[in-house]
Amino acid sequence: DTAVSQTPKYLVTQMGNDKSIKCEQNLGHDTMYWYKQDSKKFLKIMFSYNNKELIINETVPNRFSPKSPDKAHLNLHINSLELGDSAVYFCASSQAGLAGFRVTGELFFGEGSRLTVL
Amino acid sequence: EDKVVQSPLSLVVHEGDTVTLNCSYEVTNFRSLLWYKQEKKAPTFLFMLTSSGIEKKSGRLSSILDKKELFSILNITATQTGDSAIYLCAPHGSSNTGKLIFGQGTTLQVKP
Repeated sequence: DTAVSQTPKYLVTQMGNDKSIKCEQNLGHDTMYWYKQDSKKFLKIMFSYNNKELIINETVPNRFSPKSPDKAHLNLHINSLELGDSAVYFCASSQAGLAGFRVTGELFFGEGSRLTVL
Repeated sequence: EDKVVQSPLSLVVHEGDTVTLNCSYEVTNFRSLLWYKQEKKAPTFLFMLTSSGIEKKSGRLSSILDKKELFSILNITATQTGDSAIYLCAPHGSSNTGKLIFGQGTTLQVKP
């Protein structure tokens, strides 16, 4: 019974295509994230949503658009894929929320979606 | 700007050795520091540290935080091949959003 699940796990596509990655968490957490891990293993935050509201939007190209239909789901759509988008994209969730800091900050990660752009 | 620096970047040891991994940070309104272990897939949580000088232990792993000098260390004693992984340090900063800033990680390889 996976806590944070992402699909697909692997994605190979051509430059210029549009693709989506989906994420779901069954932990009842308020906040979900997308992180990108590049070839040097550097994990960098891209977006965060709290109860469907965007709260973190790091310096990410406009081609990346997150969507959160409800607090258990956070999808990532990427337009006009480029070679540099090749990476592992991790979804994560936590209990941290805007209504007062009450949590550890611990993130629970999905298994990652490896995107390869050719 | 928030910064996290881990050292060494990589380390090769033999089973039974003890290793110390370092993490120094500069984070606005520091709240806590987390350590994660990443094997082949998702990072998994090891420790959360909020107070200076209090060691957290889990089996052969232990960690401690120094909020004055802005660093943390992760110790692994009697290493085993299963300890081979990337160890990530992540301080938690000012927002209420759970945002973690990850260091580059230390890649540990334990040889039989």
